[in-house]
Amino acid sequence: DAKTTQPPSMDCAEGRAANLPCNHSTISGNEYVYWYRQIHSQGPQYIIHGLKNNETNEMASLIITEDRKSSTLILPHATLRDTAVYYCIVRVATGTASKLTFGTGTRLQVTL
Amino acid sequence: GAVVSQHPSRVICKSGTSVKIECRSLDFQATTMFWYRQFPKQSLMLMATSNEGSKATYEQGVEKDKFLINHASLTLSTLTVTSAHPEDSSFYICSARDLRGPGANVLTFGAGSRLTVL
Repeated sequence: DAKTTQPPSMDCAEGRAANLPCNHSTISGNEYVYWYRQIHSQGPQYIIHGLKNNETNEMASLIITEDRKSSTLILPHATLRDTAVYYCIVRVATGTASKLTFGTGTRLQVTL
Repeated sequence: GAVVSQHPSRVICKSGTSVKIECRSLDFQATTMFWYRQFPKQSLMLMATSNEGSKATYEQGVEKDKFLINHASLTLSTLTVTSAHPEDSSFYICSARDLRGPGANVLTFGAGSRLTVL
């Protein structure tokens, strides 16, 4: 799986948009970009994933650059409950044994 | 959506004893489950892939005789930490994938089991 690079930490004011970047310059054509987050002392929670088109769901939006070498996760209106470690993971989607390899992620702190 | 349940959520044991952690997929069948370990302030590290009806596949550096994995049914995988020592104290998390529907490519994680070995 392609390696990803994320900033170790970010701050965001409550109510503002949180934009979390991820670099994955060695991504292959069949690899998807996945985002998970982990709130303290809980299991990771799936947020969103995409291949090359921008994606949006009830939690967030995923913007993938045209060359697919980087992406941005956007939480449109961050709340205190969004404080967590956010992991950007690149992997092939298919295959029952296709596993997730976690990097160090970005620790997002949402403040009042 | 898919739900993965882990039990117990917390366990404290004495050094030298064995501890079993259960991972269940609720409302779906999982032929493959993944076990992760997470030390404080570190990322998740994949320990092993649990395969229903066959032997687990362990990641490099993980002792298979110490971390016994049994995937006896399509909804249950167990991780047994044998002869636990204080250095085995960690947060153990399992995950599985519901292959049905639009979430087929999404791994769902359990809430984790915190093991403390005294």
